[in-house]
Amino acid sequence: EIVLTQSPGTLSLSPGERATLSCRASQSVKSSYLAWYQQKPGQAPRLLIYGASNRATGIPDRFSGSGSGTDFTLTISRLEPEDFAVYYCQHYGSSPVTFGGGTKVEIK
Amino acid sequence: QVQLVQSGAEVKKPGASVKVSCKASGYTFTNYYIHWVRQAPGQGLEWMGIINPSGGSTTYAQKFQGRVTMTRDTSTSTVYMDLSSLSSEGTAVFYCARGGLEIKTPFDSWGQGTLVTVSS
Repeated sequence: EIVLTQSPGTLSLSPGERATLSCRASQSVKSSYLAWYQQKPGQAPRLLIYGASNRATGIPDRFSGSGSGTDFTLTISRLEPEDFAVYYCQHYGSSPVTFGGGTKVEIK
Repeated sequence: QVQLVQSGAEVKKPGASVKVSCKASGYTFTNYYIHWVRQAPGQGLEWMGIINPSGGSTTYAQKFQGRVTMTRDTSTSTVYMDLSSLSSEGTAVFYCARGGLEIKTPFDSWGQGTLVTVSS
C-alpha cells in the first residue's frame, strides 16, 4: 500500500498569496496516477489535478501540479477567497487507492 | 451533465447494516467504474472499494473485506453499497465517485454524500 503524507497540516495565508502544498509518497509512484482534490465544508471533494500536472475540466489556471517519484506539489499562485479549503492528494495507480491526510488552507 | 445522486441520511444502531444507493445519470452507466469513499467526522478520505457497473466485479479495501458489498442495477443506473456490523465509532459520510473507463483513473464526479449516524 502506498502511504501519502501531506504537509503542512495547516497553511495560514492571506488572499493574493501563493500556496505551496506538499505530498510525499512512501515509494516511487508513476506521475500518471497522482491527483489532487479540493474539499469545502459540507461538500464532496472536487478533482483539481490528475496525472500530477493536468488540470481537470473547469479548474482555473492559478492551480498547478508538479512533481515526480515520491514528491509532488500543488501550487495555488494567488489565493482567491473561494480557495480556502482542505486539499487531498491521491494515488490511484494500484489497489488500494490511497489519500493523503489533507492540508487545510485557512485565512490568516 | 454527469450526476451522481445518493440516498438520504440514515441512523443505525451498533451492529446493524446500512445500504446506500448512488444513482447515475448524464453518461453511459456501464462504461465507468464507481468507487466508494468513507469520511469520518473531521477526518480524511478513505477508499472502500470499486465496482465495475458493466460486469459487476468488485474489489474491496482490506479494512472493509467481509463487511462491505457493492452491487449495481443496470436497469436503473444505480450502484449500492451495503455495510454490515456498524460500530459505535462508525458514523461517517459515504461518497460514491465516478472513475474512468479503466480502473486507474481519477474520480471526476462525486455524489453529494450520505451521512450514516451510528448510535444506540
